[in-house]
Amino acid sequence: GAVVSQHPSRVICKSGTSVKIECRSLDFQATTMFWYRQFPKQSLMLMATSNEGSKATYEQGVEKDKFLINHASLTLSTLTVTSAHPEDSSFYICSASLHSGGTGELFFGEGSRLTVL
Amino acid sequence: DAKTTQPPSMDCAEGRAANLPCNHSTISGNEYVYWYRQIHSQGPQYIIHGLKNNETNEMASLIITEDRKSSTLILPHATLRDTAVYYCIVRVALRGADGLTFGKGTHLIIQP
Repeated sequence: GAVVSQHPSRVICKSGTSVKIECRSLDFQATTMFWYRQFPKQSLMLMATSNEGSKATYEQGVEKDKFLINHASLTLSTLTVTSAHPEDSSFYICSASLHSGGTGELFFGEGSRLTVL
Repeated sequence: DAKTTQPPSMDCAEGRAANLPCNHSTISGNEYVYWYRQIHSQGPQYIIHGLKNNETNEMASLIITEDRKSSTLILPHATLRDTAVYYCIVRVALRGADGLTFGKGTHLIIQP
């Protein structure tokens, strides 16, 4: 299957700093990428949909000024958590759908665990 | 997307077939059944999907009832590495612009 890679896999930062997480589709072009957040023992929650060359669409309750998403190319989307606070500590996961072809399955990155001290 | 119902947890002995049920009684005619799994602290992994015919790949088999209101994911020879949360998701295919909506899934525990 197609490969989606995230970096970094783990990050620890101080409260008030910003953290950038990268999501890359390695062997396919992804018009659309998705960002999820997962708290311990809970399911994945969709945060936003990222479209190449346009502004991201955020789910209700997700602050767009806090979670900045950039999708500059068909293979790269970035999530920046601005002015991070301990409550932002979570597992962030990206996924991507094929630019063309495929039958709707999404491919997921390995996830990035953010810990804000 | 239609709602799905799965048991919260299941146990299965290593080497046995693991059968994971999913109810999706409100499924529409153009909605597919997708299965993903998430091993602890990893991103979800695509397993299989189908519309109305039974499907099989190298990972699993998917059995969909004739009325399409329920399905079963079968892992034919479960190993310890199959311990994970399994998600059954119903959605319209070829709608790549929409993200997946995850329920709580079934936590499958493979016992040695």
